[in-house]
Amino acid sequence: EVQLLESGGGLVQPGGSLRLSCAASGFTFSSYAMSWVRQAPGKGLEWVSTISDSGGSTYYADSVKGRFTISRDNSKNTLYLQMNRLRAEDTAVYYCAKAVVAARHRDAFDIWGQGTMVTVSS
Amino acid sequence: EIVLTQSPATLSLSPGERATLSCRASQSVSSYLAWYQQKPGQAPRLLIYDASNRATGIPARFSGSGSGTDFTLTISSLEPEDFAVYYCQQRSNWPPAFGGGTKVELK
Repeated sequence: EVQLLESGGGLVQPGGSLRLSCAASGFTFSSYAMSWVRQAPGKGLEWVSTISDSGGSTYYADSVKGRFTISRDNSKNTLYLQMNRLRAEDTAVYYCAKAVVAARHRDAFDIWGQGTMVTVSS
Repeated sequence: EIVLTQSPATLSLSPGERATLSCRASQSVSSYLAWYQQKPGQAPRLLIYDASNRATGIPARFSGSGSGTDFTLTISSLEPEDFAVYYCQQRSNWPPAFGGGTKVELK
């Protein structure tokens, strides 16, 4: 079964850091670009970041550029999101998502994790 | 940056009725548009990609059409499980933005 499982969310103070993980199974992880998409409480979906299949290319939303870092370990089938200098407006459910087509960087997302909640508050 | 505008914001319909949802892009995205369904407390589910291709396991009552700047998601006959929020998303340019969503609610 194709599956993505996020972890690492929680409550953090403004200015703090958090590292999210997404464990993949059931497909050839190293063949697909992977992304993070977030959803603030009661709001719509916001793309956050994408990393290419090899990890050699990364892309970020302006709202997180310079604060968040996406990475992957293809030997562990795991995607990461390092979030630094967190702000209240980063409060959201964070989903990891898989690209539809192998090796395509900018794509739709056919597999999503269940999400992990990040709350930034003092 | 491409902006996607979905309309209407809310659609009130009964089971068995036809639902027509619109997504308009601020500039052409060719056919690089996807549609998702999201139910409360769940992750989004891909319905349609590249404007008109149904994703794996999606029922035939869901169909997508359009190109350029104007796109439509049609649900031919609403089933009880179809009441949800629907989002469009473009993959033509960075960032791969989402629309604001259309809620299909029970009338």
